[in-house]
Amino acid sequence: SYELTQPPSVSVSPGQTASITCSGDKLGDRYACWYQQKPGQSPVLVIYQDTKRPSGIPERFSGSSSGNTATLTISGTQAMDEADYYCQAWDSSTYVVFGGGTKLTVL
Amino acid sequence: EVQLVESGGGLIQPGGSLRLSCAASGFTVSSNYMSWVRQAPGKGLEWVSVIYSGGSTYYADSVKGRFTISRDNSKNTLYLQMNRLRAEDTAVYYCARDRKEMATNYYFDYWGQGTLVTVSS
Repeated sequence: SYELTQPPSVSVSPGQTASITCSGDKLGDRYACWYQQKPGQSPVLVIYQDTKRPSGIPERFSGSSSGNTATLTISGTQAMDEADYYCQAWDSSTYVVFGGGTKLTVL
Repeated sequence: EVQLVESGGGLIQPGGSLRLSCAASGFTVSSNYMSWVRQAPGKGLEWVSVIYSGGSTYYADSVKGRFTISRDNSKNTLYLQMNRLRAEDTAVYYCARDRKEMATNYYFDYWGQGTLVTVSS
């Protein structure tokens, strides 16, 4: 079965750039997306098709993908960005696959 | 405005059954792919099942043979029938609208607020 691996936690200072990685076999050959989930809330799509932002998502959120790794980058991180972030991809045998999630702490 | 509202969660004994509902508004359920995604307490997201607009259904191995996804077009509502429930099925269950564009571009653009299912004696 297909698997996606994320670091359990990432820390960043306010105003700095946070990068969260998502690794999977030949992930660059398929599209990845990212969700933000704050405590007690439902997930919110922040990046789809590797690099696209849905309407209403701030420009400081961006995505990239190459080789086996997709990356979510948050530029000028704000306290409100503190949340869990999940990557997700689609696999023909496993269907929808989520990464284990990364807790972003804004110190 | 797109809205998804889940209901039907609660406390159920192991081996029991429960049916979750997801009432949609702002779009037509039968014209879209729709999924159930669950999240065990303190854990990550796990995809459970999908129903395609054409009616095909698929399940995660962990629920195959026990859960059934369906929809009622007249009510614009998605369902998840859960049988032979186990303690490990305890989770918040979300319904979500799927987007599948091109072969591997698959994501969820709208999520409900979730409904908690607790399987315990």
